[in-house]
Amino acid sequence: AQKITQTQPGMFVQEKEAVTLDCTYDTSDPSYGLFWYKQPSSGEMIFLIYQGSYDQQNATEGRYSLNFQKARKSANLVISASQLGDSAMYFCAMREGGTGNQFYFGTGTSLTVIP
Amino acid sequence: SAVISQKPSRDICQRGTSLTIQCQVDSQVTMMFWYRQQPGQSLTLIATANQGSEATYESGFVIDKFPISRPNLTFSTLTVSNMSPEDSSIYLCSVVEGNLGQPQHFGDGTRLSIL
Repeated sequence: AQKITQTQPGMFVQEKEAVTLDCTYDTSDPSYGLFWYKQPSSGEMIFLIYQGSYDQQNATEGRYSLNFQKARKSANLVISASQLGDSAMYFCAMREGGTGNQFYFGTGTSLTVIP
Repeated sequence: SAVISQKPSRDICQRGTSLTIQCQVDSQVTMMFWYRQQPGQSLTLIATANQGSEATYESGFVIDKFPISRPNLTFSTLTVSNMSPEDSSIYLCSVVEGNLGQPQHFGDGTRLSIL
């Protein structure tokens, strides 16, 4: 089974609107971390936000928030007030406490912000 | 967070040749990784670069094709050997500092094209 599943290959959003990028994960480890990265067309990977499996509250970082639903094993990224510069690939990733080192990446979602 | 310098940022190479990519970190880090990202795909882990010993390769990647060095805790190289057009990808080095909640930080990537 895939460790990280991103079912939206491509998404479009109107500038200034909010958008949700979906991510589901699969693990039997009670301790894990979930991460979102942004990859612009220039290729660098930019860390956006982190959610720990034991965190009681959803993580937020500026315009980014993570909708963490542990029972459903989902960790959706919400981008509020979309900007043209948000157009990029977005990857969800997981790190398990047991293995510790390896990160599992999803296939990514391409987001296009429309002016 | 660690600052990672990766060189070269891009290159165009002839088939059959080899290219060495360098990754320099501004602080000592325990874990360094090398990834390949083929066009339109997600990240695939090539290997974990181990300081002072042979790298740990993932299934499908071998040392003869992707030799890795890590002479100290701040520097690593990845060589792509005997290149073919199928090796055209973005190659990324990354580091992780510390515990489960710490994200991977990436270099800016090397965009490699093989003619």
